[in-house]
Amino acid sequence: DAGVTQSPTHLIKTRGQQVTLRCSPKSGHDTVSWYQQALGQGPQFIFQYYEEEERQRGNFPDRFSGHQFPNYSSELNVNALLLGDSALYLCASSSTGQGSYEQYFGPGTRLLVL
Amino acid sequence: QQQVKQSPQSLIVQKGGISIINCAYENTAFDYFPWYQQFPGKGPALLIAIRPDVSEKKEGRFTISFNKSAKQFSLHIMDSQPGDSATYFCAATRSWGYQKVTFGIGTKLQVIP
Repeated sequence: DAGVTQSPTHLIKTRGQQVTLRCSPKSGHDTVSWYQQALGQGPQFIFQYYEEEERQRGNFPDRFSGHQFPNYSSELNVNALLLGDSALYLCASSSTGQGSYEQYFGPGTRLLVL
Repeated sequence: QQQVKQSPQSLIVQKGGISIINCAYENTAFDYFPWYQQFPGKGPALLIAIRPDVSEKKEGRFTISFNKSAKQFSLHIMDSQPGDSATYFCAATRSWGYQKVTFGIGTKLQVIP
């Protein structure tokens, strides 16, 4: 049973560029949440997707957007990259349909903005 | 606003000792408190979790103690081993509605032989 998978594992971009990160949830899960983890900090909630809609959002600017597909996989898009966007981006999945609130994390995508 | 406060930020324990990490929360709407373990280069892994109607939960060498009135909870790692060396995050969330997880700052644990 595959857990949460994310791609790519590492990414280097320059300021002003745009980036797309991808996530496949754990089998049986229908809800995907995205988190940003800066070096030496705890993960910070970006947003959560369920039934292909964003249903909750953290304190992040509109440059951060996402999408969920019918197969429950998800993308995180970040436009106009800033140096401060350098971080580990984590995807977590859970199962709203089964009433489960435990979130399982993927290995993350390490983004470096130069 | 740091809704979950965690201490210490770093901890060094000898092999066989007890590691203790403390957390406090502010939002009384939280009703589910997971702990995550993160190794370098990996995502956080769910370690153990507790709900406020229980004062203590034990799984192997890991124990969570919960004090609802003080809005505090802690993780105890008994007989700490070098393989336990990792960063530990306490967290809080609601088990209903939209369930974003709010994390503490993390504790980097080093268990020395």
